[in-house]
Amino acid sequence: AQKITQTQPGMFVQEKEAVTLDCTYDTSDPSYGLFWYKQPSSGEMIFLIYQGSYDQQNATEGRYSLNFQKARKSANLVISASQLGDSAMYFCAMRETGGGNKLTFGTGTQLKVEL
Amino acid sequence: DADVTQTPRNRITKTGKRIMLECSQTKGHDRMYWYRQDPGLGLQLIYYSFDVKDINKGEISDGYSVSRQAQAKFSLSLESAIPNQTALYFCATSGPGTYNEQFFGPGTRLTVL
Repeated sequence: AQKITQTQPGMFVQEKEAVTLDCTYDTSDPSYGLFWYKQPSSGEMIFLIYQGSYDQQNATEGRYSLNFQKARKSANLVISASQLGDSAMYFCAMRETGGGNKLTFGTGTQLKVEL
Repeated sequence: DADVTQTPRNRITKTGKRIMLECSQTKGHDRMYWYRQDPGLGLQLIYYSFDVKDINKGEISDGYSVSRQAQAKFSLSLESAIPNQTALYFCATSGPGTYNEQFFGPGTRLTVL
């Protein structure tokens, strides 16, 4: 079974609108972390936001927030007030305890922000 | 200067050739990782290292080997390259931090003809 599932290969959003990128995960480990990375067309991987499994509140970093629903095993990324520069590939990743800080990545969602 | 550097950035080689991809970091991190990225598959872990004496296989280590020459250097080798190793290769590091997140190098685009 896939540990990280991103079901949206591509998404479009209009500038200044909010967009939600979906991520579901599968683990039996009670302690884990969830990450979102952005990959622009230039190719580098940029860390955006982190959510720990024991965190009581949803993580926020500027225009990025994480809608963490533990019982549903989902960790959706919400980008508010989209900008043209948000056009990129977005990856959800999970780190499990005892895994040497290894990350398991989803297949990504390509987001395009339109005028 | 970038904290995690990879050389070369682009490489075209032929089937059967040996090739080495190099990664250096100035972050002082103990943990280093090699991933490959194929279109539609996300990133897959090839090898990872906790320190100079500790190297571990990842999900897709067949056909690859690594060397941790120093805390700051972690090299990936393809002993006999094959076309399905054509991919984008990333080196990453992690260390003590707020989230222990991984920091990625700029990537090496490898094409095996």
